[in-house]
Parts: sequence; C-alpha cells; structure tokens
Amino acid sequence: QVQLQESGPRLVKPSQTLSLTCTVSAGSISRNDCYWNWIRQSPGKGLEWIGYIYYSGSTHYNPSLRSRVTISVDTSKNQFSLKLNSVTAADTAVYYCARAVVGGTEYFPLWGQGALVTVSS
Amino acid sequence: DIQMTQSPSSLSASVGDRVTITCQASQDVTVSLNWYQQKPGKAPNLLIYDASNLQTGVPSRFSGSGSGTHFTFTINSLQPDDFATYYCQQYTSFPWTFGQGTKVEIK
Repeated sequence: QVQLQESGPRLVKPSQTLSLTCTVSAGSISRNDCYWNWIRQSPGKGLEWIGYIYYSGSTHYNPSLRSRVTISVDTSKNQFSLKLNSVTAADTAVYYCARAVVGGTEYFPLWGQGALVTVSS
Repeated sequence: DIQMTQSPSSLSASVGDRVTITCQASQDVTVSLNWYQQKPGKAPNLLIYDASNLQTGVPSRFSGSGSGTHFTFTINSLQPDDFATYYCQQYTSFPWTFGQGTKVEIK
C-alpha cells in the first residue's frame, strides 16, 4: 500500500528557508496519473494548497506563495520536496504531502501524516 | 480565487442523527467538488469526489449532492466514529481551495 512520509526540520528561523521532503513508499512516483502536492494547515488560514509537481518536473503553484515556493522531484529516490523561503511566523503550520489523482477528475485520496513546522527565533 | 463557504461552522448532534453540511462556492465549480473528513492530529481523509461519488471503502451513510455553486454533504445515522471536522474542496480552477471546515461535535 502506497504511503507518504514528510521529513525535514521542524523549527525554522524567521527569514530562513523551510525545507521538507516527502518520500513515496510501496509505489512509484513516476506515474502519469498523479500530481504530487504540498498542502498546509494553520489555525488562521485553514487548509491551503501550496502547489504540485508532476514526475516530469512540471509544476503549478498557488499564486499567493509562488514568489517564495519551489517544489522539486527526485524520481531516483522516489521523493519530492518543498522549499519555502523568507518564512515568517505566518508560515507556521502542519505541512502535508498528498497525492492527487488527475485526469478529468482531481482529488486527494492519499496524504502523509503531516509535519508541524514552527517558525520562531 | 474561488472562495468556499461552509455552514454551519460547527454543530452538535447525537448518534443516530442525520447531519447536513452545506458548501457554497463563490463561482460555478460545476461538480468539481470533494469532501474530506479530518480527525484531530490526522490528515484529511477523502470521502466524496465529484460532488456525489463515494470514495472506495467509505460507508454508504455518507453522501453528497449539488452542482454549480451550492453543495450538500449528508451523514445518515451519525456514528461515534463520525465526530470530526469536514471540509469541502474545489478543483475547477487554480488555486484549488478548501472550505473553512465544519466541526461535528457530540451533543
């Protein structure tokens, strides 16, 4: 059964870069029917879709974060990653990686357990 | 961005009750609307996709309906395991957006 697991530092200082990696296990990231997503959840803003990457490397980002976000993929490691730069306290949230089924209909049937990242000095 | 507004924000209900949650989109999303359940400390879990299709393995007491800008999510005969927060989410246009959530609590 395919599983997703987030990893990375849980404490980031203001103005620095938040970096998380999602490892896909028991399944290939190189599927043509999936987008690999990052979604975050904070008390103030609820669930917010950050963006996705296709295994080929094509991406789509939320315009509200586009200037600060980079999502990349490493198919050899079956991983995809999130970098969010110039973070502030407002970026404190639980960050989820999630697989989206695509192809006419799009939804998130598979999520990681989530990683709470705190932005604080 | 398409704004998704759920109502109510919270509700109290008893086991066995029928519960209805509504989701209003700020623009027409046709049937590009999904519903998720989230329990404390856990990731959201997909229940309904394309407004009315039950995800595999989800009990049939959960259902969804609607199209355009108005959607309804129903739990028939609420069970103890159903006390959670429920979210709608649209995917008709980017950025994909979620409702603010409806917390279903025990009366």
